[in-house]
Amino acid sequence: DIQMTQSPSSLSASVGDRVTITCRASQGISSYLAWYQQKPGKLPKLLIYAASTLHVGVPSRFSGSGSGTDFILTITSLQPEDVATYYCQKYNSAPITFGQGTRLEIK
Amino acid sequence: QVQLVESGGGVVQPGRSLRLSCAASGFTFSTYGIHWVRQAPGKGLEWVAVISYDGSNKYHADSVKGRFTISRDNSKNILYLQMNSLRAEDTAVYYCAKDGLPWQQLALGYFDYWGQGALVTVSS
Repeated sequence: DIQMTQSPSSLSASVGDRVTITCRASQGISSYLAWYQQKPGKLPKLLIYAASTLHVGVPSRFSGSGSGTDFILTITSLQPEDVATYYCQKYNSAPITFGQGTRLEIK
Repeated sequence: QVQLVESGGGVVQPGRSLRLSCAASGFTFSTYGIHWVRQAPGKGLEWVAVISYDGSNKYHADSVKGRFTISRDNSKNILYLQMNSLRAEDTAVYYCAKDGLPWQQLALGYFDYWGQGALVTVSS
């Protein structure tokens, strides 16, 4: 099975900061990579699919990049409502697997 | 708008069975694969199973293979998860989630819409 590893596991940043979260696949997955946001006590929501395509309604401060084994989620100007845990997910082959999550807090 | 509503969760003893349902609306149910994803308390997301749009293909995670079965009724727009031989480690919130692409025989895609989840607690 392909393992997905996120880093860091948690981070704290200030409002307005640029934030990056990394996801690494144990094997190449082309661009079959999605990112999700899960706010405390809420259901997960799709942010990005195909590594860099923004889902409908997602603010433009979120962006994704990468292909193969290394991927990045970037928030260009952190907002208070971005406090959440972020997950990457690889798809297009079974089993579908997620990264362990990155918990983002505001300083 | 897309709506997915899970039901059937609850407290069950180890070794017993439970069936979850997911009622879908706001999209053409019969053209999309649908997944079950679970989240144990305080833990991350774990994919459980998927069924293709027409029910012809199903995949289950190794952790539930042989115990859980995914199915669907396209005439009723409902997805099911039959859970047998439940274990304590199956305790989780179970989400149904819509696959992002229509007409996929494999339906191993990303999840563009999620339900609110149903809590399953396996405990004696």
